[in-house]
Parts: sequence; C-alpha cells; structure tokens
Amino acid sequence: DAKTTQPNSMESNEEEPVHLPCNHSTISGTDYIHWYRQLPSQGPEYVIHGLTSNVNNRMASLAIAEDRKSSTLILHRATLRDAAVYYCILRTNYGGSQGNLIFGKGTKLSVKP
Amino acid sequence: GAVVSQHPSRVICKSGTSVKIECRSLDFQATTMFWYRQFPKQSLMLMATSNEGSKATYEQGVEKDKFLINHASLTLSTLTVTSAHPEDSSFYICSARNRGGQPQHFGDGTRLSIL
Repeated sequence: DAKTTQPNSMESNEEEPVHLPCNHSTISGTDYIHWYRQLPSQGPEYVIHGLTSNVNNRMASLAIAEDRKSSTLILHRATLRDAAVYYCILRTNYGGSQGNLIFGKGTKLSVKP
Repeated sequence: GAVVSQHPSRVICKSGTSVKIECRSLDFQATTMFWYRQFPKQSLMLMATSNEGSKATYEQGVEKDKFLINHASLTLSTLTVTSAHPEDSSFYICSARNRGGQPQHFGDGTRLSIL
C-alpha cells in the first residue's frame, strides 16, 4: 500500500471548520483514500473514504485533488469530541481483492473550547 | 452501523499466563479479521490477517506460536497470547471486514498488562 504524509498535529477552535491535509503522491489508480480517527484508549473509527470524486457523509467531507496526489478531510464544525488522531490511509480495492489498512502516524487534532 | 465487539477490554495478569481475547462482528459476516497492536504514543501495527476457516497470515516479526489466532466462524476471531511476558503488554485491537468492500471496522481494543 502506498505511503501518505500528514502533519503531526493541528489545532482548531470549537465550532470552526477544520481542514486536515494528506499527501499521497505515489497513489495508484486502484487505491482508495480512507480516513479513520482514533480517540484516546479506543479503537479506530471509520470516517470516510473515496476514490476520485469528493464525498460527503454525516461525519465529514473528503475533497480529493484532481490528480489524486492529495486529499483533505473537512470537519465542518469541530466539537471537543472531534479531538483525536486522524489517519489517512490508501488501500487497494478492486475486483475481489482488498489490501490491508496500514496505519501511519496520523495527525493529532486538538480542539480548543 | 456495523459493530465489532472486543472482549475483555482490560486484562491484568501475571507473567507466564496465557490470555485469550475475543473479537466478534455483531451485524455482518466478517470474511476477514485483523489483529493490531499499539504501544503507547505509537501507531497501530498490523500483526496478522485471518480469513474464516483458514490459517492466519502473520506480519514479519510476529511469532505465530506466541500469538495464536483462530477464526472459526464468520463472526468470531480469537487471539491468544501464550505465556505472556511484560514486553507483551500493549493495546490489542481487532478489526473486521466483509467480502463486499465495505469499510473495515474496529473493536474498542484490549489493554493487556503483564506484571
């Protein structure tokens, strides 16, 4: 699975939008972009994933660059409960074959009241 | 949404004890289950992957005789840490996914402390 690069940490204010960047310049055509987050002392939680088009769900939005070499996870209105480590992971998913989720160091998001 | 249940959430035991951790997918058939380990202030490290009814595939450096994995049904996988020692103390997390390409879901982890 291709490697991703994320900032080690970011800070946000409560109720403001947060844009978490991820670079994946070596992404292949079959790699999906997945985002997970991990709250302290818990297992990772699925946030969102996409291939080429931007994606929205109840938790967040995913903006994918046209060349797919970078993406941004958007939390529209940060709350204190969004403080977590956010992981951007590439995973192959084509046909009947699915790659494994390999975690990097992620971005630790702090949310200030 | 999909739920993965992991039990127990915390174990404290003496060195030399074997510890079994259960992972269940509650509302979907998990054709593939994964076991991760996470040391303090580090990221998750994949230990092994198992498909239902097959032997687990272990990542490099993970001792298969030390970490026994059983995936006997589409909803249950177990990880047994045999003869655990203090260096095995860690946060163990299971994960599961189905065949259909849906997102992989994680349990809440088991914190293992070996005295």
